[in-house]
Amino acid sequence: TQLLEQSPQFLSIQEGENLTVYCNSSSVFSSLQWYRQEPGEGPVLLVTVVTGGEVKKLKRLTFQFGDARKDSSLHITAAQPGDTGLYLCAGQFNYGQNFVFGPGTRLSVLP
Amino acid sequence: DSGVTQTPKHLITATGQRVTLRCSPRSGDLSVYWYQQSLDQGLQFLIQYYNGEERAKGNILERFSAQQFPDLHSELNLSSLELGDSALYFCASSGRGGGSPLHFGNGTRLTVT
Repeated sequence: TQLLEQSPQFLSIQEGENLTVYCNSSSVFSSLQWYRQEPGEGPVLLVTVVTGGEVKKLKRLTFQFGDARKDSSLHITAAQPGDTGLYLCAGQFNYGQNFVFGPGTRLSVLP
Repeated sequence: DSGVTQTPKHLITATGQRVTLRCSPRSGDLSVYWYQQSLDQGLQFLIQYYNGEERAKGNILERFSAQQFPDLHSELNLSSLELGDSALYFCASSGRGGGSPLHFGNGTRLTVT
């Protein structure tokens, strides 16, 4: 079974701080997605990365895919309370296969 | 709004009982996925259907079954319920099979007492 690890598991920061969360596996991803899940709702897709070394930006969120396509990071600049939620990475190990979800990083941004 | 509708939102039942969870996918999406989310297990893939046919199976117990109907809505049947089955059950849909972005519903919270 191919597993994804995410770190940290929990993160509590003050509004305005920067943070980075990580997703990694021992296997190579063919592509990787990041989702955010808010309480009482289903996960919502933030981004898909497919090329090693790829960097994508979504407002204050920066996503990076590792050169070897075994890891990814999500960096949030100047975090806001609205960023609070569970951040999930989902990796696809072979094209066409279903995505496998990591356990998530639970972020709390305090005002 | 993802366009995926799940009912009911909450379900409380006793051990040994049987329940049915329902999902209407986003308009035009042919693939439906079922996931179980619990605090200690994260988001676990159960099963996928594509245009009425079972496409992939994950960690789905034999006590659980699912189907996708001609109108593309799907039902997840959970039987002989145990306390450990208490969890959030999510349905997601996508336009094509594996690899496409998933659009999740807001889930059904199942509590087994």
